[in-house]
Amino acid sequence: KNQVEQSPQSLIILEGKNCTLQCNYTVSPFSNLRWYKQDTGRGPVSLTIMTFSENTKSNGRYTATLDADTKQSSLHITASQLSDSASYICVVSANSNDYKLSFGAGTTVTVRA
Amino acid sequence: DAGVIQSPRHEVTEMGQEVTLRCKPISGHDYLFWYRQTMMRGLELLIYFNNNVPIDDSGMPEDRFSAKMPNASFSTLKIQPSEPRDSAVYFCASSSDRGQTEAFFGQGTRLTVV
Repeated sequence: KNQVEQSPQSLIILEGKNCTLQCNYTVSPFSNLRWYKQDTGRGPVSLTIMTFSENTKSNGRYTATLDADTKQSSLHITASQLSDSASYICVVSANSNDYKLSFGAGTTVTVRA
Repeated sequence: DAGVIQSPRHEVTEMGQEVTLRCKPISGHDYLFWYRQTMMRGLELLIYFNNNVPIDDSGMPEDRFSAKMPNASFSTLKIQPSEPRDSAVYFCASSSDRGQTEAFFGQGTRLTVV
């Protein structure tokens, strides 16, 4: 069973609107959680990385939150743009020095004009 | 630095043929990772190298898969013989740390085996 579950699987939003993506994980122990953006035909690009003690982290119009107690994270996109159309992947690491990562299946976001 | 460079970007081959995927990591990165991405399974780690030495290849699906890193600036992933179920996007990533917190991915090679 995948230890990182993302929802929704996909969503469509109008340009300028906000949206929130969810990530629930069961990975234990926990070291850090990352959000990646993957444009079509490209490799994943890191947006944010949060450790256990961090509750929120922003990268431009992207804001990630983390609740390590409930093992939940969200990625909020503010004032969406057409360039935000991509797949967003939640990735969890159990140990900062461990190369093995747990990947979510991703949420595909489509922004329409 | 131009980032992680992979070639070819697309590869279409017939079942049974040998396929070689190439990767040039970012200069100075000691770690190199090969991933496979499919709709069904998402991103999966196949193998990783540290200072050109293969450390963990437990993710390599079968003996048909092999990877090498002859020097710090070049790695290959070979599939021989290829099968239709090998069709996927293969990514190479390099990182300055084992935990991949500073990892950068290449653009991937989309492999189609017919």
